Parts: sequence; structure tokens; C-alpha cells
Amino acid sequence: QSALTQPASVSGSPGQSITISCSGTSSDVGSYNLVSWYQHHPGNAPKLMIYEDNKRPSGVSNRFSGSKSGNTASLTISGLQAEDEADYYCCSYAGSSTVIFGGGTKLTVL
Amino acid sequence: QITLKESGPTLVKPTQTLTLTCTFSGFSLSTSGVGVGWIRQPPGKALEWLALIYWNDDKRYRPSLKSRLTITKDTSKNQVVLTMTNMDPVDTATYYCAHPRGLTYSFDMWGQGTMVTVSS
Repeated sequence: QSALTQPASVSGSPGQSITISCSGTSSDVGSYNLVSWYQHHPGNAPKLMIYEDNKRPSGVSNRFSGSKSGNTASLTISGLQAEDEADYYCCSYAGSSTVIFGGGTKLTVL
Repeated sequence: QITLKESGPTLVKPTQTLTLTCTFSGFSLSTSGVGVGWIRQPPGKALEWLALIYWNDDKRYRPSLKSRLTITKDTSKNQVVLTMTNMDPVDTATYYCAHPRGLTYSFDMWGQGTMVTVSS
């Protein structure tokens, strides 16, 4: 059970859009509509931003959106804001009630 | 309002057993579909899922750590306990408990985490 693959870092300027990819396999990302995304400011608890591939919990800005194609899921943040600077993790159901996280992506807002 | 809080030792010695307790409120582990999970984050590294326990006492573990982990629940106390045997310095991490959002295998509420250092 290897970690899902994410870019180590992405960056963008305020107002721009960025996309973070999350690559898995046909045993996890590609088999279930159960990818979630978390925003993590170090020192704080992670925050659920997207679940079931593309659903937003109440209270999460609609600037955050999720999508998936095959074995790769993506998180897009539009209208970048300074407070979006954080670490982002994808997560997928991997069968047999197990869960796997991605390696994390550090988002820098320039 | 759902809250979770982790508690346990901040320092354990190599080979010792770690026991962490998650005390929660705002939901019941006797309710169908409800669970509690544990996730950890070594310093400077990524999140790692460790274990899940459900209302029906179904238990799931990270495959690579299955032999070392035990998760139990005490419904009357609103607590979930995670034990990890044979601790090693590589197990140094912040340990979080979290509430799964139904059966979506996502975690919609997290505790603040507790830092555990493994050192002699």
C-alpha cells in the first residue's frame, strides 16, 4: 500500500488558479468515488475540503473543487488567497475498509 | 458539535507500548455508520492512516502496521484507544484521532493531535 503521488510543491499568485494532482492506482483512486482532500496549516488540525471526489462540506469555499480522471484525482483552487497557503493532502479509499493518503503538496501563494 | 481530543504520553522509550486515548463528544459509537480513526504525521512528513473502528466493532488497520496496532472502543465513556507495540524512533509523530464522515472514508472532524516522541 504505497502513498498516493502528489507534487511536492505548487505555487501561484493571488487571484490565480492552481491544480494539485493526486495519482493512485486502479486499486484505490481509480476504483472508488472516495477521494478526499485536506488543507493542513502546520500546528493545526487538518481540515476536510473535498470528499467523495468532488463534494464540498458546508462552510468550505466554492473556490475549492475536486475532480477525477481514471487513477488521478485533482484539487483546483481558484481565486488564490494568502490564507490558502498550506499543505494539501489527498486521501483515497483503498478497499477492505483501508485508507491511503498522498505524500502532501505545499502550496505557496506568491 | 463534534469534538475529539487525543491524550497519552509525550515520550516513550524504544520497545515500549504506546497507548493513546481519543475522547470525543457530539456523536455516539453505538450509532450505526459511525466510526473513529487514527492518523499520524511524522515531523516533516506526510499524513499516514493507522486504524479505524466502527460502531459494530469492525476494526481495520494499516497493513504494514497491523501486527503492532490494536484499536478498541468504550462506548459508555465515548473513548477510543489505540495501542502500538514495540515503539521505535521512526514512530515519532503527531497522532490524530478523527471522525469519519459517514462511510465515505473521509474525516470531517479532527482532534488537535498529540505529539509522541520515541527516544531512550
